[in-house]
Amino acid sequence: DTEVTQTPKHLVMGMTNKKSLKCEQHMGHRAMYWYKQKAKKPPELMFVYSYEKLSINESVPSRFSPECPNSSLLNLHLHALQPEDSALYLCASSPRDPNSPLHFGNGTRLTVT
Amino acid sequence: SQQGEEDPQALSIQEGENATMNCSYKTSINNLQWYRQNSGRGLVHLILIRSNEREKHSGRLRVTLDTSKKSSSLLITASRAADTASYFCATDEQGGTSYGKLTFGQGTILTVHP
Repeated sequence: DTEVTQTPKHLVMGMTNKKSLKCEQHMGHRAMYWYKQKAKKPPELMFVYSYEKLSINESVPSRFSPECPNSSLLNLHLHALQPEDSALYLCASSPRDPNSPLHFGNGTRLTVT
Repeated sequence: SQQGEEDPQALSIQEGENATMNCSYKTSINNLQWYRQNSGRGLVHLILIRSNEREKHSGRLRVTLDTSKKSSSLLITASRAADTASYFCATDEQGGTSYGKLTFGQGTILTVHP
């Protein structure tokens, strides 16, 4: 079990659907992250929130919309996705300290049909 | 381009043997981290080595860092079947303009046969 909880574990959505991925941590971490991982590839950074403010957007298409309602929660809103967006979406958190590791959730396996 | 490149891409060994994975990177770094990922699961942090450290141990893990060669190695001693997983190095770029930007290597798939 991890200290970063992601829901749902699996999600199947059509290209016209709107859905949201949720992430929660109660470790007091002030940095939270979204990564995308395709099969047999390394995780790729999408977004970083620091103190609930978006600090990094890695040129992610606008059909992905992140939100950080408070210091414990991170959402990723999905709309009009493409089949190539199917992947494992990983949330992570860390203290805002350059020499602290990331704590990952177990991810949401997203399939876009 | 990927900051971290790892070799080998895949490694198959018998239980009890040692496993060594290597990682190379391109820029100056604050630290280098190693993570393990079991199939379809999240990543688990194994060990972090700072740029001013040369070697670090944690249980059966030994990590070395050579900043002059921009390379690191992860040694797992006395491997177990439960060590079967993908292993990734990740670098935190020094002087980067963006805090928290970890870049992962391509990973090594380790299979330990009972």
